[in-house]
Amino acid sequence: AQTVTQSQPEMSVQEAETVTLSCTYDTSESDYYLFWYKQPPSRQMILVIRQEAYKQQNATENRFSVNFQKAAKSFSLKISDSQLGDAAMYFCASSAGGGADGLTFGKGTHLIIQP
Amino acid sequence: SQTIHQWPATLVQPVGSPLSLECTVEGTSNPNLYWYRQAAGRGLQLLFYSVGIGQISSEVPQNLSASRPQDRQFILSSKKLLLSDSGFYLCAWSASGIYTDTQYFGPGTRLTVL
Repeated sequence: AQTVTQSQPEMSVQEAETVTLSCTYDTSESDYYLFWYKQPPSRQMILVIRQEAYKQQNATENRFSVNFQKAAKSFSLKISDSQLGDAAMYFCASSAGGGADGLTFGKGTHLIIQP
Repeated sequence: SQTIHQWPATLVQPVGSPLSLECTVEGTSNPNLYWYRQAAGRGLQLLFYSVGIGQISSEVPQNLSASRPQDRQFILSSKKLLLSDSGFYLCAWSASGIYTDTQYFGPGTRLTVL
């Protein structure tokens, strides 16, 4: 079984600043994947970034990057140069690799961008 | 490119009435399909997943059922809705095969049971 914990219900950041969202997870799988999804007010879940657990290099997608600490089971999301459009709920999720099982989600962090 | 559709977008139903939510995927074959529910202010909970036609796995025993009558069609049903069935229902797909990890979500259906 997998668990995902997001300890920050809400975060606030000034526009153009950098913010880091925290996530910890627990899994008995040796092969797994980690994700950050964004849920704007429209409520559609949008994939932000993906990390394979067997890769040591942290994933990066434009202004979004992760800090993956496998031993600590930590997977934080850094958003650089925050924009008003980044305001949303952010969910951390995990999945066991190599199968069709569903994702396990954290409870989410509400990110507020202050203009 | 692949697209995923859900309908209806919004639904208000009385307690005890039946339910049918539909999800279809375009641009891919033999996808893995998923139904999730999101209660107010919470993360997503996996309800069902399917790796092929007629193959349904249930994660949470409840008042709901799922069916996959066609390769790219996934249906969520109930015979009699409960108040606790209210929520936001999301369908998702992932590619078939060994590397099935990344899931892509539809726009969702907001269900209110009165």
